[in-house]
Amino acid sequence: QVQLQESGPGLVKPSETLSLICAVSGYSISSGYYWGWIRQPPGKGLEWIGSIYHSGSTYYNPSLKSRVTILVDTSKNQFSLNLSSVTAADTAVYYCASQRGPFDYWGQGTLVTVSS
Amino acid sequence: EVVLTQSPGTLSLSPGERATLSCRASQSVRSGYLAWYQQKPGQAPRLLIYGASTRATGIPDRFSGSGSGTDFTLTISRLEPEDFAVYFCQQYGGSPPALTFGGGTKVEIK
Repeated sequence: QVQLQESGPGLVKPSETLSLICAVSGYSISSGYYWGWIRQPPGKGLEWIGSIYHSGSTYYNPSLKSRVTILVDTSKNQFSLNLSSVTAADTAVYYCASQRGPFDYWGQGTLVTVSS
Repeated sequence: EVVLTQSPGTLSLSPGERATLSCRASQSVRSGYLAWYQQKPGQAPRLLIYGASTRATGIPDRFSGSGSGTDFTLTISRLEPEDFAVYFCQQYGGSPPALTFGGGTKVEIK
């Protein structure tokens, strides 16, 4: 079974870059699938951030595209998220997930707070 | 962008009752690429239904999905105590895929 685990700083200052890593186990990223990032502000709904294929091709939420970079590292079986120029509105629980159409396996999520 | 509107916002029901949740899309969802997720407090969402009506692995048959085009429904035939949660719909169609979620329906104990 695919397992995913997010890691990264829990606190980021405004205007800086939020960086998270998703480590995948139980499946080799290079074997296929898309891999995605989703976020959820406290008490609110889900927002898709972007996704990457094992080959490295990406597609992003148009509303975040100018600030988002997602990369894959098949040698470490992980993928990453960079979100630049963050504000308080980017405070959320960030999830990574495997994506075979819908998001079928999810990480437990990590809370990132944007504050000085 | 496809906007998904879920209704009602909150559904107050008793265990054993039937729950009917609606998800309406602003334009037709391609090939029925519509999924439903369940989320409990402090947990990640769990995939219940994909392709509008196919149950994910391990999902009990009291959960069923139906619909096509712009109107979709998640039905829980008899609510169990563990079913009280928030439910989200999501469309994953398009080329390249554009993924959007509905705002969610909370199913609470009456």
